[in-house]
Amino acid sequence: NAGVTQTPKFQVLKTGQSMTLQCAQDMNHEYMSWYRQDPGMGLRLIHYSVGAGITDQGEVPNGYNVSRSTTEDFPLRLLSAAPSQTSVYFCASRARQGLWPQHFGDGTRLSIL
Amino acid sequence: SQQGEEDPQALSIQEGENATMNCSYKTSINNLQWYRQNSGRGLVHLILIRSNEREKHSGRLRVTLDTSKKSSSLLITASRAADTASYFCATEGQGAQKLVFGQGTRLTINP
Repeated sequence: NAGVTQTPKFQVLKTGQSMTLQCAQDMNHEYMSWYRQDPGMGLRLIHYSVGAGITDQGEVPNGYNVSRSTTEDFPLRLLSAAPSQTSVYFCASRARQGLWPQHFGDGTRLSIL
Repeated sequence: SQQGEEDPQALSIQEGENATMNCSYKTSINNLQWYRQNSGRGLVHLILIRSNEREKHSGRLRVTLDTSKKSSSLLITASRAADTASYFCATEGQGAQKLVFGQGTRLTINP
């Protein structure tokens, strides 16, 4: 099993551009989530999904969209990139609500110029 | 807002010594978890302790939980160079079904 796979690993964007961060898991997990990690701030939840077709907002959802058309994939879309979105983004999954642990991908390092 | 506050923010010790990290949180929880993050990598789950547990062990790891003080500690015994990493506590609040992370402790083990 590959676990949680994130692509790309690195990306540089210009302000105003849009892009999609990809996340895929091969563990048949129902629950998937996106976090951003900024220096000195730990991880903050952006969006999460408890199953295909169901998504909800986390702590810092503004500027991001998600969808969950399949169990395996949970892409994160930046609609109009801003320098404040420069961060490291992590995707995570777990079997379902109430079950732990949570498995993380290796992250996407995103810079907005 | 961050739920967990970790202390110290950075810790540097000699190989073979024990390392202790502390985490405090604000609201009632279902469980508290510790994760490790190596440089440039994702987080790896280390151990979970439920709100009705007071202590848990896993190999060289010992976690304690004091719900009356809303605090937890992670002890790594006989540290190794490979333990160099950042360590995060995360809490699942009651009814929340989501994890809230602390800011992390950066641990450096000197050979």
